[in-house]
Amino acid sequence: DVKVTQSSRYLVKRTGEKVFLECVQDMDHENMFWYRQDPGLGLRLIYFSYDVKMKEKGDIPEGYSVSREKKERFSLILESASTNQTSMYLCASSLWRGGKDTEAFFGQGTRLTVV
Amino acid sequence: AQSVTQLDSQVPVFEEAPVELRCNYSSSVSVYLFWYVQYPNQGLQLLLKYLSGSTLVKGINGFEAEFNKSQTSFHLRKPSVHISDTAEYFCAVSDSGGYNKLIFGAGTRLAVHP
Repeated sequence: DVKVTQSSRYLVKRTGEKVFLECVQDMDHENMFWYRQDPGLGLRLIYFSYDVKMKEKGDIPEGYSVSREKKERFSLILESASTNQTSMYLCASSLWRGGKDTEAFFGQGTRLTVV
Repeated sequence: AQSVTQLDSQVPVFEEAPVELRCNYSSSVSVYLFWYVQYPNQGLQLLLKYLSGSTLVKGINGFEAEFNKSQTSFHLRKPSVHISDTAEYFCAVSDSGGYNKLIFGAGTRLAVHP
């Protein structure tokens, strides 16, 4: 069974802390993505990566950075957490060019609360 | 730039009634289209996808969707819903020639009542 695993389901952090959200996939996918989900806004793309050490900004990269040192792992970093970063964070992975297998697989999400 | 509009934020419906969740997209290039479902406190699960070929796509749990290129729509339908279909549904588009990154709509919350 294919799997995308996010390290935490729930996190509570203080304003100003550095926060790491980890994501691991076991499908040998080239692409990995970080989305933020907020009510009424759907999912918004923060960053994505199509190869090790490669990254591209999504639609809302401000306040975030990412790291991809290994193909299976993609980390989202909040350099200095703020209350407006309280949200659900979803990681996903997909093949580079999947053809009929084009599909993104999602993790269970991390609900982050910044106090 | 691509964008997705889900025309209804909430859809209440009675059990065993038919339902349609509407989705329109904008894009200047060929696209792939997807519907995902999210049950409470879970990640997203693929319902169905349109890549090419037949414009009527069948997915899991009895859902289907029709791709209409002239109207740039990809509406999701089910002829008879169950209580267990209560969830949030997301329409998404990706550039068929790009990195397969998905652009999502705001979501439609389907509430099925007994």
